[in-house]
Amino acid sequence: SQTIHQWPATLVQPVGSPLSLECTVEGTSNPNLYWYRQAAGRGLQLLFYSVGIGQISSEVPQNLSASRPQDRQFILSSKKLLLSDSGFYLCAWSVGLGTDTQYFGPGTRLTVL
Amino acid sequence: KNEVEQSPQNLTAQEGEFITINCSYSVGISALHWLQQHPGGGIVSLFMLSSGKKKHGRLIATINIQEKHSSLHITASHPRDSAVYICAVPFGNQFYFGTGTSLTVIP
Repeated sequence: SQTIHQWPATLVQPVGSPLSLECTVEGTSNPNLYWYRQAAGRGLQLLFYSVGIGQISSEVPQNLSASRPQDRQFILSSKKLLLSDSGFYLCAWSVGLGTDTQYFGPGTRLTVL
Repeated sequence: KNEVEQSPQNLTAQEGEFITINCSYSVGISALHWLQQHPGGGIVSLFMLSSGKKKHGRLIATINIQEKHSSLHITASHPRDSAVYICAVPFGNQFYFGTGTSLTVIP
């Protein structure tokens, strides 16, 4: 069966520090991968998606970047965190884009102080 | 302008009540997702539907593509149904999400 892992579960970082969140998927090949953010009191926002190794699409301009160095690994990064980067970050995977069921990871709660 | 609108934003129900959550969208789509977010933050995909109705246990989802409207129903609600319910529509390579309906079911 397929599983999706995210770490860390929680993170407190100072403004200006770097960020690296990791997501890995097991039990499937060539998944579509997604990074979402949920800011406090707000809805989910799609940040990045990837249809294959090295292929990253960004949906919103921001302080973050994503990379997919391996088929089942998706990394969210920042060189310098902003206060506004605080939120709940979710990784997800699907077989197809859009019209396929998405499977979400447990999330990382990031607080930038 | 929100492409996806949900109502109500908050809902409190007594255990056993029939619950309806509504989702309206403004973009042309071929499918719609209903998600459930538990108090701890984890999200589970409940339904993906493109027409008609789907049922899973006590949950029923309906969609009317022409009217751009979907509903999520919970029959015989239970306190463990307490969660935030989110509808999402894929449009091209984007996803538009509703802001969610926070449901609390009281024993």
